[in-house]
Amino acid sequence: NAGVTQTPKFRILKIGQSMTLQCTQDMNHNYMYWYRQDPGMGLKLIYYSVGAGITDKGEVPNGYNVSRSTTEDFPLRLELAAPSQTSVYFCASSGASNEKLFFGSGTQLSVL
Amino acid sequence: AQSVAQPEDQVNVAEGNPLTVKCTYSVSGNPYLFWYVQYPNRGLQFLLKYITGDNLVKGSYGFEAEFNKSQTSFHLKKPSALVSDSALYFCAVRERGNEKLTFGTGTRLTIIP
Repeated sequence: NAGVTQTPKFRILKIGQSMTLQCTQDMNHNYMYWYRQDPGMGLKLIYYSVGAGITDKGEVPNGYNVSRSTTEDFPLRLELAAPSQTSVYFCASSGASNEKLFFGSGTQLSVL
Repeated sequence: AQSVAQPEDQVNVAEGNPLTVKCTYSVSGNPYLFWYVQYPNRGLQFLLKYITGDNLVKGSYGFEAEFNKSQTSFHLKKPSALVSDSALYFCAVRERGNEKLTFGTGTRLTIIP
């Protein structure tokens, strides 16, 4: 059982470049989330989705976009990369709002 | 707005001693409360949750947490620490009716052999 799969694991971008972080889950979960983790700051919610076709902003959405065309996939798009987006990004999913989150292994992104 | 605080960045405990990692929360209504653990270069793993019912919640790896509504706390505890418990621990809260889960800043637990 794969759970939540994130790709790539590592990426270095130049300022102004764009990229998509991929996230897919095979548990038929409706709820999916993107978090970023900065040292000493915990996890900050970027975007979330409660089902296919439905997305909403979290605490730190600026500079990011998401889509949810299927239940399985929840890609995160960075359009114009900035050094402030250097972070570790985690995708997570859950079956319901009171259920535990399953996390992917993370993407370490550096913007130089 | 919901929030959660972990007042200690670092907790050091001798192996075999009891451990406590503190968490306090703020919500307008009733909370869902969670503890997660993160090992180096890994995603977060679920430890335990409080939804309703018994205030003492038991979870994975011998951990437990006590929900205290009057003190708005949800401290994580273990009777006897193991070196393998060394990791980064996160408390999280979701207010009922809110789809967002808010995490604390994390507490680094180090168990000293």
